[in-house]
Amino acid sequence: GNSVTQMEGPVTLSEEAFLTINCTYTATGYPSLFWYVQYPGEGLQLLLKATKADDKGSNKGFEATYRKETTSFHLEKGSVQVSDSAVYFCALSDYGGATNKLIFGTGTLLAVQP
Amino acid sequence: DTAVSQTPKYLVTQMGNDKSIKCEQNLGHDTMYWYKQDSKKFLKIMFSYNNKELIINETVPNRFSPKSPDKAHLNLHINSLELGDSAVYFCASSRLAGGPTDTQYFGPGTRLTVL
Repeated sequence: GNSVTQMEGPVTLSEEAFLTINCTYTATGYPSLFWYVQYPGEGLQLLLKATKADDKGSNKGFEATYRKETTSFHLEKGSVQVSDSAVYFCALSDYGGATNKLIFGTGTLLAVQP
Repeated sequence: DTAVSQTPKYLVTQMGNDKSIKCEQNLGHDTMYWYKQDSKKFLKIMFSYNNKELIINETVPNRFSPKSPDKAHLNLHINSLELGDSAVYFCASSRLAGGPTDTQYFGPGTRLTVL
């Protein structure tokens, strides 16, 4: 079945450091790919998405490119802030013709220190 | 205005009790979902409804019964609660069922603790 694999956390960085969170997927067909973020004590918010190969999703300084050849969707940010501390989830849409569900990775905790 | 809302935010109860969680969305979406997030933060879909019709029912115990009185509401009733039901339950909605590019919008979650 379809699945998502994320790098294990926690990831601890100093403010203004470069961030990469790796995400790879296994899927039949061509799913859409998503990054969701969960700030402490809150629900999930969509951070960015890409719906086809070579698409780049971007938002709030974060970027991820849908790489079909490497089945990857790595999240990057050039300069992290303390306010970026959260759990980041990579997900794919598991499309079944009449149904759609998100398959999530295990989440990666990011802690940014001042 | 809150797009997807859930009540209650916290729920603490004893084993064996029956409880309900309510979800409402004001986005005009046709499809709603329930996801469970366990203690290790792992998220997994439980159910999905499209316009009041159940379309996804993952291998969830029969003690869990979703109900959708209209397309803006999806409630989750849990009978005979067990310790292993302790988790955060997220409601979500999306514009179209079966649309792989559609974004799912999540509620704030309900943290259920079974003692």
